[in-house]
Amino acid sequence: GAGVSQSPSNKVTEKGKDVELRCDPISGHTALYWYRQSLGQGLEFLIYFQGNSAPDKSGLPSDRFSAERTGGSVSTLTIQRTQQEDSAVYLCASSTPGLAGVEQYFGPGTRLTVT
Amino acid sequence: AQKVTQAQTEISVVEKEDVTLDCVYETRDTTYYLFWYKQPPSGELVFLIRRNSFDEQNEISGRYSWNFQKSTSSFNFTITASQVVDSAVYFCALSSFQTGANNLFFGTGTRLTVIP
Repeated sequence: GAGVSQSPSNKVTEKGKDVELRCDPISGHTALYWYRQSLGQGLEFLIYFQGNSAPDKSGLPSDRFSAERTGGSVSTLTIQRTQQEDSAVYLCASSTPGLAGVEQYFGPGTRLTVT
Repeated sequence: AQKVTQAQTEISVVEKEDVTLDCVYETRDTTYYLFWYKQPPSGELVFLIRRNSFDEQNEISGRYSWNFQKSTSSFNFTITASQVVDSAVYFCALSSFQTGANNLFFGTGTRLTVIP
């Protein structure tokens, strides 16, 4: 079946503009995650959605970052008033529900460049 | 606190050599999971293996093998007879019940280059 898809694959934006990144999880996966991969850094957890539960936003770096998940499927990560330090690859993953240890399936990522 | 350390930033080997990628983790949890993911040049992370903290048995899958040692908090990954297709960035990651969710704590990755 289809894997996790993300769009756009690349996004170049000017400092101060807002951007929206989209993630389509694997069908049937109720858990969805966003991570950020900055140059030379590991992957940094941003936010986690599980079904209809309140999302875990503990990884969001500032209030300029927000995410929503409509209908328990597609998710949008929004970055307002982008800064150059927001330049990174944003990765989305999905999984079946469960406790810690479930395998996460990753999308190809969106490379964001803030000029 | 959860922490994963991959001290090797970059490794280069000649094809057919064996190579070991190191991973050291920190957690206060007694129940946790360790993972290895591969990120080829295409960018998409590929799951390789998951081990839970109660199973220290080493695992072998083809040319890949993993050595989990709780005594040293390490979960090392060995590729035997490396091939050019093994060139990628490899990430070690940790999740535990303490985090309250399934989010993974990743190391900074090791870039492996296999030279033909």
